[in-house]
Amino acid sequence: DAKTTQPNSMESNEEEPVHLPCNHSTISGTDYIHWYRQLPSQGPEYVIHGLTSNVNNRMASLAIAEDRKSSTLILHRATLRDAAVYYCIQLNNAGNMLTFGGGTRLMVKP
Amino acid sequence: GAVVSQHPSRVICKSGTSVKIECRSLDFQATTMFWYRQFPKQSLMLMATSNEGSKATYEQGVEKDKFLINHASLTLSTLTVTSAHPEDSSFYICSASPISNRNTIYFGEGSWLTVV
Repeated sequence: DAKTTQPNSMESNEEEPVHLPCNHSTISGTDYIHWYRQLPSQGPEYVIHGLTSNVNNRMASLAIAEDRKSSTLILHRATLRDAAVYYCIQLNNAGNMLTFGGGTRLMVKP
Repeated sequence: GAVVSQHPSRVICKSGTSVKIECRSLDFQATTMFWYRQFPKQSLMLMATSNEGSKATYEQGVEKDKFLINHASLTLSTLTVTSAHPEDSSFYICSASPISNRNTIYFGEGSWLTVV
């Protein structure tokens, strides 16, 4: 069975970089890796996604291992507003099957 | 950008009654939508995959007769919680991927269900 795992929680200091890991050891060659974050009582918010190459956007960077069995979401300078639960999600190419990790609760200390 | 809308955003119902939650893709079509449940301070949990024109696929442990899913059109999926009990009180969220861009996911804002 497909499995995606993330640490339950992580802590960071404000203004420091944060690396959030995700293991997706059973990922298939065409599954995309998505990252979303969720604030309390809200729907998840898109952060970034990628397939094989590392990706950068204004919110974060996504580093994908060469074998694609793991990825790391990088927040370059954590702010208090980045405190949220971050979900790593595998979505197949057809868009009809997804697997996601249990989420990592990121706490940011001032 | 693409939007997924859920209705109602909050609903209170009496124990034993049924309640329907709608998930609409407002500016795209989706053959597949996903339904999740989230209890307070817990992770999102995938409940089922809703497929347009066919039966939904339920995750292990989710009762298909209790959580009825209907995906009658390419822009609407509904989740009906039948014979609701207080333990069904939860935050229900849906997501959808556009037919035109299946590698993206759009989440709804969620629907709070309280069963009294």
